[in-house]
Amino acid sequence: DQQVKQNSPSLSVQEGRISILNCDYTNSMFDYFLWYKKYPAEGPTFLISISSIKDKNEDGRFTVFLNKSAKHLSLHIVPSQPGDSAVYFCAARPRGSQGNLIFGKGTKLSVKP
Amino acid sequence: DTGVSQDPRHKITKRGQNVTFRCDPISEHNRLYWYRQTLGQGPEFLTYFQNEAQLEKSRLLSDRFSAERPKGSFSTLEIQRTEQGDSAMYLCASSLRLDTVGGSGRYEQFFGPGTRLTVL
Repeated sequence: DQQVKQNSPSLSVQEGRISILNCDYTNSMFDYFLWYKKYPAEGPTFLISISSIKDKNEDGRFTVFLNKSAKHLSLHIVPSQPGDSAVYFCAARPRGSQGNLIFGKGTKLSVKP
Repeated sequence: DTGVSQDPRHKITKRGQNVTFRCDPISEHNRLYWYRQTLGQGPEFLTYFQNEAQLEKSRLLSDRFSAERPKGSFSTLEIQRTEQGDSAMYLCASSLRLDTVGGSGRYEQFFGPGTRLTVL
């Protein structure tokens, strides 16, 4: 039973346009959400996070939106650049957990010049 | 480089052998985590240390797996009697506990490059 779902295995976007990566979750006890980017043969790199008490967090080209009623979050990248091409993972922290992050399966983003 | 480091980066072993991986976290981080990632999946939590205390273990961590963080700095993950199903990327992450007023903490974990284990 997957608690964090990234239903799109891949996404292709033109350079300069917006990339929207989506993530759905089933557990209403999650209180913190994170996005990571992963290049081949490297560990995941932290991108941006959001607490469940907020609905938006922005950092440069990256914005994360949280819709708690729909149990949905999204990552917007504007404008998309070829260097953004990577696998993006959504992760969530169960409330009260000390260390366990639960990850989705990832979405592979390809940004074409 | 002050990020999380892992050694070795790659390990090939024969079924039944023991292997040990090392993780050096970011120096001021008091929390250390181990995850496992297989092809097409996201990282799966294995275990977590706060300083030298192992506070949480996943049911994925069978009795063939043992992790230590003896002095609250580096950590080792040992797999005994390896099986082909143990083939995966083993990721280490670290974080600094940040609890703010009102209980809204920060929970970012910073990952190392991983150790790719292949069991033949």
